[in-house]
Amino acid sequence: KAGVTQTPRYLIKTRGQQVTLSCSPISGHRSVSWYQQTPGQGLQFLFEYFSETQRNKGNFPGRFSGRQFSNSRSEMNVSTLELGDSALYLCASSLDRANEKLFFGSGTQLSVL
Amino acid sequence: AQSVTQLDSQVPVFEEAPVELRCNYSSSVSVYLFWYVQYPNQGLQLLLKYLSGSTLVKGINGFEAEFNKSQTSFHLRKPSVHISDTAEYFCAVSWAGGYNKLIFGAGTRLAVHP
Repeated sequence: KAGVTQTPRYLIKTRGQQVTLSCSPISGHRSVSWYQQTPGQGLQFLFEYFSETQRNKGNFPGRFSGRQFSNSRSEMNVSTLELGDSALYLCASSLDRANEKLFFGSGTQLSVL
Repeated sequence: AQSVTQLDSQVPVFEEAPVELRCNYSSSVSVYLFWYVQYPNQGLQLLLKYLSGSTLVKGINGFEAEFNKSQTSFHLRKPSVHISDTAEYFCAVSWAGGYNKLIFGAGTRLAVHP
């Protein structure tokens, strides 16, 4: 069974641009969560999607958004990039919302110059 | 609100020695507790979890943790570490109604030396 797949693995953008990151969950998993990891702030929850609806949101500005498709694949978008958005963005999938076990992808490393 | 404190940012240890990574949490509601491991350039892998029941939880790779409600702790232990255990370890908390929103600690870097 394939794991959680995140693309691209690395991304370099400049300030003011926008970026879209993709996440394919494990087959059969319906919940997808996104986390930001930085050396300064650590791991922080961005949002969770289940059945194509955002169910939970962390404390991030509106520049951070996401969506989930009918096949449970998810994308997150960051508009008007800032230097502080440089981070490892991790996607995690789970069967449902029972918070028993999250499976994480290897992440997308975003560098904003 | 929930929070997690990992008391040690780095723990150096010799191979085959025992290790304990400390984690304390704060919450006004009942919690679920997790330990994740992150190897370089990889995502997080679940080591073990406490949802309810027995307070001693056994996980993968020989790790175990004990939930102590009175001390609000969930320390991770391994009786004998290997070089391959070198990694970053994260304690995390969730709660009923929090669903898949995890609050993570800052992490503990375990460095196993030969």
